[in-house]
Amino acid sequence: QKEVEQDPGPLSVPEGAIVSLNCTYSNSAFQYFMWYRQYSRKGPELLMYTYSSGNKEDGRFTAQVDKSSKYISLFIRDSQPSDSATYLCASNSGNTPLVFGKGTRLSVIA
Amino acid sequence: NAGVTQTPKFQVLKTGQSMTLQCAQDMNHNSMYWYRQDPGMGLRLIYYSASEGTTDKGEVPNGYNVSRLNKREFSLRLESAAPSQTSVYFCASRERGGVETQYFGPGTRLLVL
Repeated sequence: QKEVEQDPGPLSVPEGAIVSLNCTYSNSAFQYFMWYRQYSRKGPELLMYTYSSGNKEDGRFTAQVDKSSKYISLFIRDSQPSDSATYLCASNSGNTPLVFGKGTRLSVIA
Repeated sequence: NAGVTQTPKFQVLKTGQSMTLQCAQDMNHNSMYWYRQDPGMGLRLIYYSASEGTTDKGEVPNGYNVSRLNKREFSLRLESAAPSQTSVYFCASRERGGVETQYFGPGTRLLVL
């Protein structure tokens, strides 16, 4: 079992929908939680990060971590066609290398 | 400010050939990483270098070697390419400590025939 599990999708939603992307992790030592966005044929880029449990909001994006259930979520409000990409969750315990989920491919249909 | 650069962008090799993938960063980062990305497998760590002069194996190191040439450059070498090494390779760099933000390069697409 990988330390970070993520449903690869694909996920297809209409424009304006609320999108929920989720990951689970198994390593209790993980404290940093990231979401990366990867457009087709590009490198991943950091979208959001959180430290330990809690929520973090940035515009239409909200990242949520529940350490008690080892659950990581990313919510996208008012989704746009430009949000169509692969979203990767990642985590680590500090200076250790990031462990990535497999990524979820999202399509937002106009 | 170029960030993380990778060369070449695309390469075709025959089985048994060797090649070196180059990576450079201009952000003065201590740590550098090499990943491969395959359909359905996500990003898998091949090797990393926590600081200049050190390298460590990741999840899938077999068939690869690395060199941390200096603080800026981290190369990945395939000594005898195999079709199973057909993949997209990403280099990344990161500051040490604090927010664990990794910056990725644009990738190298490798096809081994």
